[in-house]
Amino acid sequence: DTEVTQTPKHLVMGMTNKKSLKCEQHMGHRAMYWYKQKAKKPPELMFVYSYEKLSINESVPSRFSPECPNSSLLNLHLHALQPEDSALYLCASSQGQQETQYFGPGTRLLVL
Amino acid sequence: ILNVEQSPQSLHVQEGDSTNFTCSFPSSNFYALHWYRWETAKSPEALFVMTLNGDEKKKGRISATLNTKEGYSYLYIKGSQPEDSATYLCAFGINTGGFKTIFGAGTRLFVKA
Repeated sequence: DTEVTQTPKHLVMGMTNKKSLKCEQHMGHRAMYWYKQKAKKPPELMFVYSYEKLSINESVPSRFSPECPNSSLLNLHLHALQPEDSALYLCASSQGQQETQYFGPGTRLLVL
Repeated sequence: ILNVEQSPQSLHVQEGDSTNFTCSFPSSNFYALHWYRWETAKSPEALFVMTLNGDEKKKGRISATLNTKEGYSYLYIKGSQPEDSATYLCAFGINTGGFKTIFGAGTRLFVKA
């Protein structure tokens, strides 16, 4: 299984809502990532987990809260988001942080 | 600030044309250079990873070269087909005591039948 799955595919939320994005992989990868991508811009790294521990936080606002419950799952908890947080959120995994990353299809988030 | 620049931003070609894109990256702390292919509504898919100056990789009609000293990589597509239409992302792997990957904004290729 070389697939990274993400749910939901689309999400619309208000600024007072709390929601979560989920990512799952069963390739035995030990590194997992969250990226944010706006139209025509590069994917921007948000968080990296290595061996289920947070290893990189790219100064992401606290309204985004990552969680890695086990080696196959990565969540991104969202609370009190702003309209400018509307974007495509991509999850990826890799064997090690220096290896090729395998991406999910993304969650397209709209904050109203 | 570390930037990865890709050019052109978009490209329209006819079926059968050969084409190439450029990725420019900082030459310091280089670890690896990745190329990904991203079709609309699908996941980005890894094409190549290159680590050594002068590396060349080939997969069917697509090939890539790497120059780490001057900080650029080229992606070539020979005889473009409509199914090659996608965004081609370049990503620069950097080692500054920890590994990180920095992406370019991509080149959007449209191949007309």
